[in-house]
Amino acid sequence: IVLTQSPATLSLSPGERATLSCRASQSVSIHLAWYQQKPGQAPRLLMYDASNRATGIPARFSGSGSGTDFTLTISSLEPEDFAVYYCQQRFNWPLTFGGGTKVEIK
Amino acid sequence: EVQLLQSGGDLVQPGGSLRLSCAASGFTFATYTMSWVRQAPGKGLEWVSAIYGSGDTTFYADSVRGRFTISRDNSKNTLYLQLNSLTAEDTAVYYCAKPLRANYFDCWGQGTLVTVSS
Repeated sequence: IVLTQSPATLSLSPGERATLSCRASQSVSIHLAWYQQKPGQAPRLLMYDASNRATGIPARFSGSGSGTDFTLTISSLEPEDFAVYYCQQRFNWPLTFGGGTKVEIK
Repeated sequence: EVQLLQSGGDLVQPGGSLRLSCAASGFTFATYTMSWVRQAPGKGLEWVSAIYGSGDTTFYADSVRGRFTISRDNSKNTLYLQLNSLTAEDTAVYYCAKPLRANYFDCWGQGTLVTVSS
């Protein structure tokens, strides 16, 4: 299953809303996760099963979607949110990741 | 505290071999399907391989099948990845990862760099 993320780069200012997209080449039901990765760090799980926040993830992060189209929304960007975001499906093997969306400071 | 401590990364020549290790603590290792994920320099994440808790079932990405072998020793709480027939395209930081639940990864090792170069 190929996951296509868009846009590749999102240039926004702190306080703005970020909307990231992940499209699957076939249905993955709700079996999709989102990760955040900062330079030099391992990824951090943000969302799983499309819309469930992982432990300790702030409420400004939300996820939606099912089937082939998914969205990660950051309601109001904090300085620490500027990073690269990846989606990942666990619907079937092989597990796959999207190519990533970089959220950068405008 | 859940921890994954990796070792084994190195510089290796094309065609060479390497074994990566991931020592787990803080959770019941034998009950989790564990994975390896890699990231080439400046690139995105690529899932590489996974192994059931029992060790009797394994999965591989097409890019590594037949060259890499995942294994585990539940008596030592350790996950392994044997890398053979390495090419420059295998140069990456390799992470071991523990799932929160069925293949969503909530805990990652610190990463270990494998560089394939002559």
